[in-house]
Amino acid sequence: QKEVEQNSGPLSVPEGAIASLNCTYSDRGSQSFFWYRQYSGKSPELIMSIYSNGDKEDGRFTAQLNKASQYVSLLIRDSQPSDSATYLCAVNLYGGATNKLIFGTGTLLAVQP
Amino acid sequence: KAGVTQTPRYLIKTRGQQVTLSCSPISGHRSVSWYQQTPGQGLQFLFEYFSETQRNKGNFPGRFSGRQFSNSRSEMNVSTLELGDSALYLCASSSRDGGNTIYFGEGSWLTVV
Repeated sequence: QKEVEQNSGPLSVPEGAIASLNCTYSDRGSQSFFWYRQYSGKSPELIMSIYSNGDKEDGRFTAQLNKASQYVSLLIRDSQPSDSATYLCAVNLYGGATNKLIFGTGTLLAVQP
Repeated sequence: KAGVTQTPRYLIKTRGQQVTLSCSPISGHRSVSWYQQTPGQGLQFLFEYFSETQRNKGNFPGRFSGRQFSNSRSEMNVSTLELGDSALYLCASSSRDGGNTIYFGEGSWLTVV
């Protein structure tokens, strides 16, 4: 079992729809969870971070964390063609004094105009 | 505030050579980590430095090494390059000791021929 799992996609949604991206992780002790967006040929860009159970909203983005189910998701409302990218879920599996992140393989999102 | 700066951005090396990549973290950030990204393996953690000490190391051969200087700048070195070392090498920095958000530089694209 991989430590952080994502559906590779592609996930295709029409412009203006809600895109839902999902991620599961293996270690119940994980403390910190992140979503990064990566355009082709570019480096990952931080979208959201979440540390406690529940929802966290930032503009059109909402991150959801459920530690009991070891599940973290990212919702993108009013999806735009410019949101088309690979979305990487990252987890700090170890807590404590480390910034080591384990990444999923990413979900490719395609927003159709 | 300047972001994470990596040099060189692009380089081509011959198999068997060695390469050194440089990273300047965001001002005030003391944690620097390195990742390798390839199409086949995704984003994989190489190592992390905090206050000039290597705190974590990923599952890479000893040909991959790094160091951090007193000004938090970091370098990574790959010796005896192999074709499979062709990848995007990403440096990331963080302001706190652990569990905190990391911010990526633009990366160094290494091609081994």
